[in-house]
Amino acid sequence: EPEVTQTPSHQVTQMGQEVILRCVPISNHLYFYWYRQILGQKVEFLVSFYNNEISEKSEIFDDQFSVERPDGSNFTLKIRSTKLEDSAMYFCASKLLGSGGTYEQYFGPGTRLTVT
Amino acid sequence: AQTVTQSQPEMSVQEAETVTLSCTYDTSENNYYLFWYKQPPSRQMILVIRQEAYKQQNATENRFSVNFQKAAKSFSLKISDSQLGDTAMYFCAFVPYGGATNKLIFGTGTLLAVQP
Repeated sequence: EPEVTQTPSHQVTQMGQEVILRCVPISNHLYFYWYRQILGQKVEFLVSFYNNEISEKSEIFDDQFSVERPDGSNFTLKIRSTKLEDSAMYFCASKLLGSGGTYEQYFGPGTRLTVT
Repeated sequence: AQTVTQSQPEMSVQEAETVTLSCTYDTSENNYYLFWYKQPPSRQMILVIRQEAYKQQNATENRFSVNFQKAAKSFSLKISDSQLGDTAMYFCAFVPYGGATNKLIFGTGTLLAVQP
């Protein structure tokens, strides 16, 4: 069964460094998402991406964050200058259809980001 | 604002028993989808069950079933014949029908422990 994959599974970085989290969505899916979960808290929406552009972003997704789909298969989340509070689990998700279709989002296994 | 509330931070159940996890939500939308996701210690997000708001019949997936009360905006999850592998954090999530992105809105989760 197709699945969303994410790399790396765990990333440790120093404050102020740039990180890129990578995701490979399910191949025929059209909508892509990043969510964040700080340890012990709920999952929060960061950004959605469709047709090679951001369709919605949350207030968390400030200028330090960017997303890209560089080659038609990968979907990346970049944090330019990491802060301690960026430490969290980052989930990528993808979805096949939009309005009128299935709303099920398939999640990747997550990348645990630790900022020291 | 659309919100999802899970009022039980933690629950415990004996193996083979039945347990019900509560979820309420607030929305002015008439059409939407509701989901229960399971997050085991590995922190992978696994879809357990989905419910379309326009369907009166409660969804069922093997040992998992929901009690969807649209007027009360309630969406509880019943796990029958609980198994040790059901031990996990369970998140209730909501997504409105239509709209540009269909981002998932999550509750704060209920940590379920299945005791042998």
